[in-house]
Amino acid sequence: AQSVTQLGSHVSVSEGALVLLRCNYSSSVPPYLFWYVQYPNQGLQLLLKYTSAATLVKGINGFEAEFKKSETSFHLTKPSAHMSDAAEYFCAVSSGSARQLTFGSGTQLTVLP
Amino acid sequence: DADVTQTPRNRITKTGKRIMLECSQTKGHDRMYWYRQDPGLGLRLIYYSFDVKDINKGEISDGYSVSRQAQAKFSLSLESAIPNQTALYFCATSDTRETPDTQYFGPGTRLTVL
Repeated sequence: AQSVTQLGSHVSVSEGALVLLRCNYSSSVPPYLFWYVQYPNQGLQLLLKYTSAATLVKGINGFEAEFKKSETSFHLTKPSAHMSDAAEYFCAVSSGSARQLTFGSGTQLTVLP
Repeated sequence: DADVTQTPRNRITKTGKRIMLECSQTKGHDRMYWYRQDPGLGLRLIYYSFDVKDINKGEISDGYSVSRQAQAKFSLSLESAIPNQTALYFCATSDTRETPDTQYFGPGTRLTVL
């Protein structure tokens, strides 16, 4: 069984401040991990993915995430928030032979001017 | 042009009506998925198909059926719509040859059942 917990359904940051969105996972086998972003009235767009090649993963739009096995975490960060980063962010885990994706409940990011 | 398209983008229907949501892809992927999104619940898997002859139930398949007409087309049907099926529905595709097989999403269909 696999699951994802995203801490904080809503996060607000000021423009230029650090963005930190938290994701913890549970998986009985080594997982693949993903972050997706959903802008208003759009589908989900892949930000980045962890494939075990490197623990620090860089994605699009300046985002990155670090896989920490000991903490079962895959937190998403960006050094400096931009107004255009306002969106909903989903963490997801895939593991096992079926490789189905299990999503977290999402974090709505608001960027304040 | 979008790689994964969904029709219609918005639909309002009445309780008891049959409705079909369609998904087409030009990515050449073998796997296709249907999800529904509800506020605060993330995305939940309804059905998935690994190829034309392989269709599987997901977490919340009750009240839904699917048809994989071709590798590029995967439709979702609600035989008798009910109000709690009001949600945002997403189609996604992935390629078995990719590791991990990353899912790529369509723009979504907003369904309202009155």
